[in-house]
Amino acid sequence: AQSVTQLGSHVSVSEGALVLLRCNYSSSVPPYLFWYVQYPNQGLQLLLKYTTGATLVKGINGFEAEFKKSETSFHLTKPSAHMSDAAEYFCAVSINTDKLIFGTGTRLQVFP
Amino acid sequence: NAGVTQTPKFRILKIGQSMTLQCAQDMNHNYMYWYRQDPGMGLKLIYYSVGAGITDKGEVPNGYNVSRSTTEDFPLRLELAAPSQTSVYFCASSTTGQGADTQYFGPGTRLTVL
Repeated sequence: AQSVTQLGSHVSVSEGALVLLRCNYSSSVPPYLFWYVQYPNQGLQLLLKYTTGATLVKGINGFEAEFKKSETSFHLTKPSAHMSDAAEYFCAVSINTDKLIFGTGTRLQVFP
Repeated sequence: NAGVTQTPKFRILKIGQSMTLQCAQDMNHNYMYWYRQDPGMGLKLIYYSVGAGITDKGEVPNGYNVSRSTTEDFPLRLELAAPSQTSVYFCASSTTGQGADTQYFGPGTRLTVL
């Protein structure tokens, strides 16, 4: 069965600093991987996803993630944090099914 | 397009009361989903539907019921509300339901059961 682990329920960075949110997955078959963002009091919005092909995936708002099969990881990065990036971020995995398995989320705080 | 809409935004229920959470989408998506989000737990799938007239249980279906009479609407019913159902509920939809498909989420309903 698939599962997702997000290391760190809270991450704090200064504005302009590198953002790194960690996600590891478990899957017996090649997975599809997603990062969703949830701004306060809103629904989830897709940031980026990996399906096939290029392992470095670029998303909205300057975020990107790299699929590393050997490390079973899909970490999310952004070179320079902005105050507007403060939100909760969810990693999710699916295979050839209609169901997403979500991680427990990482809340990102950005300090001025 | 309005996307996925949910009503109400907030609701407080007493134990034992019932209510229906409404969800509608205008993207002509076949697949629709109901999730609940609890602090520190991520999102858990309650029920989903692959098309009008077809529904199936997710990971945490107990205490809930759904119906799908049209492509657009997917209401979630709580029959006897319990404090354990205090949560934020999200509805989502997708085109094909295949693994690579993006799910589009509504803004959520925050439910408190006292």
